[in-house]
Amino acid sequence: AQSVTQLDSQVPVFEEAPVELRCNYSSSVSVYLFWYVQYPNQGLQLLLKYLSGSTLVKGINGFEAEFNKSQTSFHLRKPSVHISDTAEYFCAVSDQDTDKLIFGTGTRLQVFP
Amino acid sequence: GAVVSQHPSRVICKSGTSVKIECRSLDFQATTMFWYRQFPKKSLMLMATSNEGSKATYEQGVEKDKFLINHASLTLSTLTVTSAHPEDSSFYICSATNRVRTEAFFGQGTRLTVV
Repeated sequence: AQSVTQLDSQVPVFEEAPVELRCNYSSSVSVYLFWYVQYPNQGLQLLLKYLSGSTLVKGINGFEAEFNKSQTSFHLRKPSVHISDTAEYFCAVSDQDTDKLIFGTGTRLQVFP
Repeated sequence: GAVVSQHPSRVICKSGTSVKIECRSLDFQATTMFWYRQFPKKSLMLMATSNEGSKATYEQGVEKDKFLINHASLTLSTLTVTSAHPEDSSFYICSATNRVRTEAFFGQGTRLTVV
């Protein structure tokens, strides 16, 4: 079985500052990794995904994440955040045989002016 | 990306009644659809996996008689909350995928309030 840990429930940051949202996973099989963003009362939008290949993955809205197999991590980063990045961010994992996503508990990114 | 439409976006119902939520994949055939429930300030909890033409697979602790899932076609899955109670009030989200795609596409979610 897989599990995902997002250690930070909230991350406050000022506009134009860099940010890192942490995600660690555990799995006994090879996995795919995802980051999703959720705005209030909306569904989830895919930011980026790691399937294979290069461990540095670039996504939408200037976000990127790096897959680190030895540390079982997939941290999300953005060099300069905007007010509009304020949202809930979810890290998720699925094994390569099913499409079932297991989500972390989410990190609330709050960007202040 | 692909489009998944979920309807209704909000519904208020009386305790004891049933509510049906639809999830449609608009531009691809979804062999698998997933239903999630999200509590306030909490993560998404997978309720069940539905494959077209077969019975849904429910996660542990989810009452299959209360949350009826039907996946009758490759573009439509429905979740019916039967005999709803206030504790069923939540945000329900569906996602859809097929074996060609390696990501799931999510609906906009349905806010269910049972009064």
